[in-house]
Amino acid sequence: NAGVTQTPKFRVLKTGQSMTLLCAQDMNHEYMYWYRQDPGMGLRLIHYSVGEGTTAKGEVPDGYNVSRLKKQNFLLGLESAAPSQTSVYFCASSYRGSFGYTFGSGTRLTVV
Amino acid sequence: GQQLNQSPQSMFIQEGEDVSMNCTSSSIFNTWLWYKQEPGEGPVLLIALYKAGELTSNGRLTAQFGITRKDSFLNISASIPSDVGIYFCAGQNYGGATNKLIFGTGTLLAVQP
Repeated sequence: NAGVTQTPKFRVLKTGQSMTLLCAQDMNHEYMYWYRQDPGMGLRLIHYSVGEGTTAKGEVPDGYNVSRLKKQNFLLGLESAAPSQTSVYFCASSYRGSFGYTFGSGTRLTVV
Repeated sequence: GQQLNQSPQSMFIQEGEDVSMNCTSSSIFNTWLWYKQEPGEGPVLLIALYKAGELTSNGRLTAQFGITRKDSFLNISASIPSDVGIYFCAGQNYGGATNKLIFGTGTLLAVQP
C-alpha cells in the first residue's frame, strides 16, 4: 500500500499565483489533515476533514482553502500565494478511533 | 493556537550517549505521542502513551506520560547515527470529535559517529 501520497513534492510560485496541493490516501481513513511546518514552529494545523464533503478550520487557515469531494482525497488550495506561505506542507490521515496519524512525505513550497 | 513547549530545541551528541527531551503543555491530554522526522520525510510514530504515569519502551526509546497529564518525556539510550532527525511530541484528546493532534516545536538531534 502507498499510504499517504502528496503531489507535487516541490513547487516554486510567484507571489499572487494560485495552486492546489493534492493528498491521496489508500487506507480508507475517515479523517484527513493539512499541516504546515516552519523552522522552530513545529507542525501547525491548517484545515482538516472528518469525512467526505466536510471540512473545518485549524489553527492557521487564512489564505488557504480545502475540499474533500472524495473520501480518499484532500485538496489544499492557495488562491493568491504570498511569501509567508513558503513552508513544507504535510498531509495526514487517520481512522476515526485511532491514536496518531499517518503522514505523507511533504510538499516543499517556495513563494518568491 | 495552542502549541506544546518542547526542549531542548537541538542536541549535538556523540554516538553512544543517552538523550533526554521533554514536552510540556498548559492543558491536559489523555494521549501523548512521540514522532520522528527524518530529512525529506514526514513524521513517523515512535511511541504512544495512553494513561498518566505510563512508561513505555520501544527498543532503545523510552517515553513517559506525566502524572499531571500536562507533560511527557522521551529518552533514547546509547544513541547511534541513524537516530538523527527531528523528534516531535504531540498531545491528543482521544475520543474527541476530530482526533486532532497538537504538536510540539520539535527537538533536532544530531549524532556524531
